[in-house]
Amino acid sequence: AQSVTQLGSHVSVSEGALVLLRCNYSSSVPPYLFWYVQYPNQGLQLLLKYTSAATLVKGINGFEAEFKKSETSFHLTKPSAHMSDAAEYFCAVSEGFQKLVFGTGTRLLVSP
Amino acid sequence: EADIYQTPRYLVIGTGKKITLECSQTMGHDKMYWYQQDPGMELHLIHYSYGVNSTEKGDLSSESTVSRIRTEHFPLTLESARPSHTSQYLCASTYSGVNTEAFFGQGTRLTVV
Repeated sequence: AQSVTQLGSHVSVSEGALVLLRCNYSSSVPPYLFWYVQYPNQGLQLLLKYTSAATLVKGINGFEAEFKKSETSFHLTKPSAHMSDAAEYFCAVSEGFQKLVFGTGTRLLVSP
Repeated sequence: EADIYQTPRYLVIGTGKKITLECSQTMGHDKMYWYQQDPGMELHLIHYSYGVNSTEKGDLSSESTVSRIRTEHFPLTLESARPSHTSQYLCASTYSGVNTEAFFGQGTRLTVV
């Protein structure tokens, strides 16, 4: 069965610093991978998804993620953090027609 | 903007009351889901449906029940609310194809006192 592991329940960065949120997946077949963002008291919003067309995926708000099969990873990055990026971030995986499985989430804290 | 709606957004209710959380989507999605989200953020799948008259229990056991009589509507019911049911409940839907992302409602924050 597919699963994802997000390392670090909290990540703190300064405004302008690099953002790196880690996600490792487990899947018996080529996976479909997603990153979602959740702002306070809101539902989840899709940031980006891996479709197998390209290993580097660009999403909204300047985020991107790179699919590395050899490392079974799909880490989320952003070159320069903004205060508005403070939120919870979820990595998710699905296999074919199966339901999405979410990681435990990482809270990104951005300090001035 | 995703066309999936949850009502109410916030609900405070007394122990023992029956409640129904509403979820509707106008995208014609076949698959719909209910997640329970702990204060510490983790999402737990409690119910899902692959279409009309299809409902399945998710990975986390829940005392709630769901129904899917119409494609666009996936309500969740608690027959007798308890303080342990206090949580955020998120509804989502997807197309039936592969590599399809989920669209989420804004959630219902339930508090049982």
